[in-house]
Amino acid sequence: AQSVSQHNHHVILSEAASLELGCNYSYGGTVNLFWYVQYPGQHLQLLLKYFSGDPLVKGIKGFEAEFIKSKFSFNLRTPSVQWSDTAEYFCAVNRRQTSNTGKLIFGQGTTLQVKP
Amino acid sequence: NAGVTQTPKFQVLKTGQSMTLQCAQDMNHEYMSWYRQDPGMGLRLIHYSVGAGITDQGEVPNGYNVSRSTTEDFPLRLLSAAPSQTSVYFCASTRRALGDNTGELFFGEGSRLTVL
Repeated sequence: AQSVSQHNHHVILSEAASLELGCNYSYGGTVNLFWYVQYPGQHLQLLLKYFSGDPLVKGIKGFEAEFIKSKFSFNLRTPSVQWSDTAEYFCAVNRRQTSNTGKLIFGQGTTLQVKP
Repeated sequence: NAGVTQTPKFQVLKTGQSMTLQCAQDMNHEYMSWYRQDPGMGLRLIHYSVGAGITDQGEVPNGYNVSRSTTEDFPLRLLSAAPSQTSVYFCASTRRALGDNTGELFFGEGSRLTVL
C-alpha cells in the first residue's frame, strides 16, 4: 500500500534558523506531491505542490520543496523560520491517475515550534 | 465564497449515540471526502465521493456512513459512537481534472468530536 513517511515528528528551532523537513513516499508510479500547513486552531492550508516540470517548487512564506524522484522524496525547506511558522506540517501524495478523487495519502505530520 | 463549511465545530457524545457531521461546499467541486486527524497518525481517509450519488470507502470507513444526494453536501454519519471515534474530522473537496489541476484539497475548519 502507498505510504508517506515524515521523519521529524517534533522540531524546535529558534527564529532565523534554517529548516528542512523530510518526506518520503512509497509509491513507484507518477505522483503529485503536496505540503500542507495547519496553524494552531485552524484548518489545513496548501503550502506548495509539485505536479510536473521544475522539481524545485516554491510556495508561500518563503518555503520551497525539492522533488527527488530517485529518492522518492519531497523535502520542505526554508532558510529562516519565523515565530509565525509555528504549526503542524503535513506531506501528502496522490497517484496521478487518481489525482482527482480527493484521495490524498498523508504523512504523520511534523510539529514545528519556533522560539522567539 | 464560503468554501467548505462544516458543522458543528465541537460535539460531545455518549457511547452508542448517533450523530451527523454536516459538510457543504459552494465551489461546485465534484469530489468530496472526509478525513479524521489523530495525534501522530496524520490524516486518514474515511469516505469519499466523486459525484452526486457515488460514494466509496477510504482507509478507515468502519462505524461511519455517508451519502451524496447533491453536489454541495456530503454528510458523515456516526451510527453508534465509540470512544475510538474521538477525533478531529475534516471535510475536503476538489474539482475534476482540468489542465494542471493536481487534486489539491480544500479543507473545512474541522469538527472536534469527543465520545465519552
